[in-house]
Amino acid sequence: DTGVSQDPRHKITKRGQNVTFRCDPISEHNRLYWYRQTLGQGPEFLTYFQNEAQLEKSRLLSDRFSAERPKGSFSTLEIQRTEQGDSAMYLCASSQASRRETQYFGPGTRLLVL
Amino acid sequence: AQTVTQSQPEMSVQEAETVTLSCTYDTSESDYYLFWYKQPPSRQMILVIRQEAYKQQNATENRFSVNFQKAAKSFSLKISDSQLGDAAMYFCAYRSKETSGSRLTFGEGTQLTVNP
Repeated sequence: DTGVSQDPRHKITKRGQNVTFRCDPISEHNRLYWYRQTLGQGPEFLTYFQNEAQLEKSRLLSDRFSAERPKGSFSTLEIQRTEQGDSAMYLCASSQASRRETQYFGPGTRLLVL
Repeated sequence: AQTVTQSQPEMSVQEAETVTLSCTYDTSESDYYLFWYKQPPSRQMILVIRQEAYKQQNATENRFSVNFQKAAKSFSLKISDSQLGDAAMYFCAYRSKETSGSRLTFGEGTQLTVNP
């Protein structure tokens, strides 16, 4: 198992375009999280899934953001009509639900909106 | 809502010396987890150490140890015998055990520089 992977690692797009990011969690993990991290700040929670169910969404997740986790495996995060304020690192993490749950992070996708 | 505060944006330490990074948090809950994560320049976040709030004993992992003061809501990280590879951004994080969901709430981070 090689850990959490994310694709692409970098994305440059023009304002108004749609972008989609993918996250592949550690295979036996049933929980998957998305966070957003702007430069010099700590990550902020966006949403999380347990299996295929999206159980919680942050107020940060505007209507332009949508996330899916079909079949409880990989997840996608789509941003529609991107804005310059969406420029950030988007981090994915996965975990196995348990009392001593630990989230393992992927390398992130850095998004730049021009 | 829980908040996590790291009041030291930057810290530096000489190689082989000891450094302590500070973290305070605010919560009305009695049972929770606290974490320190390390984010090296490659940007992948790595768990350094975890503390369960109901455990009075401070967690240790090799050269890393914490000073958990529950009443003061303080959770500092001590790095002993600092190495060049310890240079990174360090984040303190909180996770509730009482509310639904298991989101992490992070502090703003402390950039640690290790000088040779």
